[in-house]
Amino acid sequence: DTGVSQDPRHKITKRGQNVTFRCDPISEHNRLYWYRQTLGQGPEFLTYFQNEAQLEKSRLLSDRFSAERPKGSFSTLEIQRTEQGDSAMYLCASSLPTETEKLFFGSGTQLSVL
Amino acid sequence: DQQVKQNSPSLSVQEGRISILNCDYTNSMFDYFLWYKKYPAEGPTFLISISSIKDKNEDGRFTVFLNKSAKHLSLHIVPSQPGDSAVYFCAANQAGTALIFGKGTTLSVSS
Repeated sequence: DTGVSQDPRHKITKRGQNVTFRCDPISEHNRLYWYRQTLGQGPEFLTYFQNEAQLEKSRLLSDRFSAERPKGSFSTLEIQRTEQGDSAMYLCASSLPTETEKLFFGSGTQLSVL
Repeated sequence: DQQVKQNSPSLSVQEGRISILNCDYTNSMFDYFLWYKKYPAEGPTFLISISSIKDKNEDGRFTVFLNKSAKHLSLHIVPSQPGDSAVYFCAANQAGTALIFGKGTTLSVSS
């Protein structure tokens, strides 16, 4: 399978715990994006990387959130001291730099904070 | 401030008829407009796009129309099929920047 892969698919955690999600993009895509989607809403942009450089962060990305893409391949999104409002589907997507409008999404990680 | 708006949360259509999904936007600097389709438990998948310099793009049963003066785009699906039942997201961006999505319209096609 050469699509975008996300792990885990589901994560249940208690409020205050830290969680980390992983995303493996399509191999030839050097842009990688993180989005968040809550019920009844469209995907909301969080941040994106071009290779290992984090080029843009949304104001939605509070200081409890951190994303990395250390070698320009896979990426991790960490949420520290989770809150119930963090419960959402976290989507990763990748694209070619020449077609930044055409995103390929993974199936997402569904986070539930109890 | 929502830059991309889908004002109809849902649409029901009979198989074989036309489905028309609508989207409005506020940012006149957008370069590309896209439609994504999402099935439950899956990520959104790209469906069709249109550049701001065009007013129509067609791909099989799917056609996107862009009216820049009205800041409005629409997706036409003809003929509609039960497998088209999904959530459809309108999205837009300026070249090189992240996509901004609408809230989505749930399309139900009945046989």
